[in-house]
Amino acid sequence: DIQMTQSPSSLSASVGDRVTITCRASEGIATYLNWYQQKPGKAPKILIFGASSLQSGVPSRFSGSGSGTDFSLTISSLQPEDFATYYCQQSYSSSITFGQGTRLEIK
Amino acid sequence: QVQLQESGPRLVKPSQTLSLSCTVSGGSISSAGHYWSWIRQHPGKGLEWFGYIYHSGNTFYNPSLKSRLTISVDTSKNQFYLSLSSVTAADTAVYYCARGSSRSWSIFEFWGQGILVTVSS
Repeated sequence: DIQMTQSPSSLSASVGDRVTITCRASEGIATYLNWYQQKPGKAPKILIFGASSLQSGVPSRFSGSGSGTDFSLTISSLQPEDFATYYCQQSYSSSITFGQGTRLEIK
Repeated sequence: QVQLQESGPRLVKPSQTLSLSCTVSGGSISSAGHYWSWIRQHPGKGLEWFGYIYHSGNTFYNPSLKSRLTISVDTSKNQFYLSLSSVTAADTAVYYCARGSSRSWSIFEFWGQGILVTVSS
């Protein structure tokens, strides 16, 4: 299986901050990388697919970049509703795998 | 807007079979190009994909779970199902059903709310 490693595991930030979460794949996955947001007690929500394409309805403060093995999710100006856990997911291999998650907390 | 809803027993005994249903509303499970998956999340942990089914009955399973796993579909009921045999405490998790997007089966666009299943005697 392709291993997905996110960093950091947790992050404290303030409203208005710019934050970046990274995801590294154990082997090259081109741009077959998706990002999800999960709030407590809720299902994950797709934010970004194909490494950099914004899902319809997702605010433009979210952006993604990267290819091959290294990827990032950036939130340009944190809003109160953005404090959640974020997961990357590779869809290159037919055996889908997710990162372990990055918990974004209010400072 | 497509909605998914998981249902089934919330408590299963060790060595028994965990069986869940996912009811799809707001759309047809037979819609072309959409694949239906099961995903679980251990308490406080990350996400694990089980496998998918297409309305034709074609399936693809996560190799690490394949020996215990069956996913099936009933298009007349607009439902699909998960069966996981020989469960242990390690199978205690929140189980989600999800639909892939029209772009790719592996972009999970719609999710159920999840159901917590506990394996315990």
